[in-house]
Amino acid sequence: QQQVKQSPQSLIVQKGGISIINCAYENTAFDYFPWYQQFPGKGPALLIAIRPDVSEKKEGRFTISFNKSAKQFSLHIMDSQPGDSATYFCAASMDAGGTSYGKLTFGQGTILTVHP
Amino acid sequence: NAGVMQNPRHLVRRRGQEARLRCSPMKGHSHVYWYRQLPEEGLKFMVYLQKENIIDESGMPKERFSAEFPKEGPSILRIQQVVRGDSAAYFCASSRGLIANTGELFFGEGSRLTVL
Repeated sequence: QQQVKQSPQSLIVQKGGISIINCAYENTAFDYFPWYQQFPGKGPALLIAIRPDVSEKKEGRFTISFNKSAKQFSLHIMDSQPGDSATYFCAASMDAGGTSYGKLTFGQGTILTVHP
Repeated sequence: NAGVMQNPRHLVRRRGQEARLRCSPMKGHSHVYWYRQLPEEGLKFMVYLQKENIIDESGMPKERFSAEFPKEGPSILRIQQVVRGDSAAYFCASSRGLIANTGELFFGEGSRLTVL
């Protein structure tokens, strides 16, 4: 019930295309959903995050869509660029036991490759 | 403002030896989290600490693993009598306060442990 399932495992997109990564969760107590970007040899960096009181959040070329009833959320990268090539992780957490959202449950990751 | 600093970046140990991984949080951050990333998997929460206190260690293996965050100095993740299955990247993250208030968890670049 604590799992977050992410798909696809890998994704190849042409420059200028749209990259879409999907995640699904089971635990309805989750109420914070961030996306992280990780380059090889580096730590994850927060890209964008959403809470379930909104269905969509957009920051630049990155958009999170959230479907509370389906327990799914997705990341859309518009006008994908070669510099976006990285591993993307969705995550989920909740304010429980005093950890207040820092205890993240991560998806398995999606390796995105954007061809020039 | 320096980011989360982890050292060593790479560590090689033989089975049965001890591994000590250090994490200095960002300046002004008093909340530290440790995560483990096995090859081609997402990050898994291990432990959450505040200065001199372990808040949540539900992700820590019951044996051989310990963590501390003393009043002075870095947080340390200690693995005793390492086995090959401990080979992984260990990431430290820090936050100024509770994520609900500050919105972001900052990750270090990780310490990559290889057990021969």
